[in-house]
Amino acid sequence: AQSVTQLGSHVSVSEGALVLLRCNYSSSVPPYLFWYVQYPNQGLQLLLKYTSAATLVKGINGFEAEFKKSETSFHLTKPSAHMSDAAEYFCAVSDGANNAGNMLTFGGGTRLMVKP
Amino acid sequence: GAVVSQHPSWVICKSGTSVKIECRSLDFQATTMFWYRQFPKQSLMLMATSNEGSKATYEQGVEKDKFLINHASLTLSTLTVTSAHPEDSSFYICSALLSSGLTDTQYFGPGTRLTVL
Repeated sequence: AQSVTQLGSHVSVSEGALVLLRCNYSSSVPPYLFWYVQYPNQGLQLLLKYTSAATLVKGINGFEAEFKKSETSFHLTKPSAHMSDAAEYFCAVSDGANNAGNMLTFGGGTRLMVKP
Repeated sequence: GAVVSQHPSWVICKSGTSVKIECRSLDFQATTMFWYRQFPKQSLMLMATSNEGSKATYEQGVEKDKFLINHASLTLSTLTVTSAHPEDSSFYICSALLSSGLTDTQYFGPGTRLTVL
């Protein structure tokens, strides 16, 4: 069974500051990992995904995430927050080679707030 | 590319009526689609996996007779909430699975907000 834990249901940063959203996972097989962003009253948009290639993954809107197997983490970062980054962010895991992207287990989500 | 639409985006209905929600993959074919439910300030809960041409697979605790899923083509899946009640009010989101080489990725629709009076 897989699970995802997102530490911090709410994160607040100032505009221009570093964004760090934490995600830890548990999986019995090498996982595939995803970050999605959700704006109010909208569906989820894929930010980036890790599928066992490079451990540092670059996504859209300046976001990137690093897969650290030893820490079972896949934290999302952005060097400089923009007001438009304010949204809900979800980390998700699938069971890798057996079912890449098929069955996703989502974390509880982190709401990012950006202060002017 | 990889655009998924949902219709309607917002629906209000009376208790006891049925509501159909459509999920379409606009620029790719999807043999597999998923239906999720999201309560306010919560994460997504998978309701069922919809496979083209076969019966949907429901998650534990989801009533298959209440939430009817039909995946009649490679670009369309529908979710019908039958005899809706106020507790069915929620945000329903679908996703379509895009197969690309070694990796399958779910692309999500914009969601449908259902309010049952």
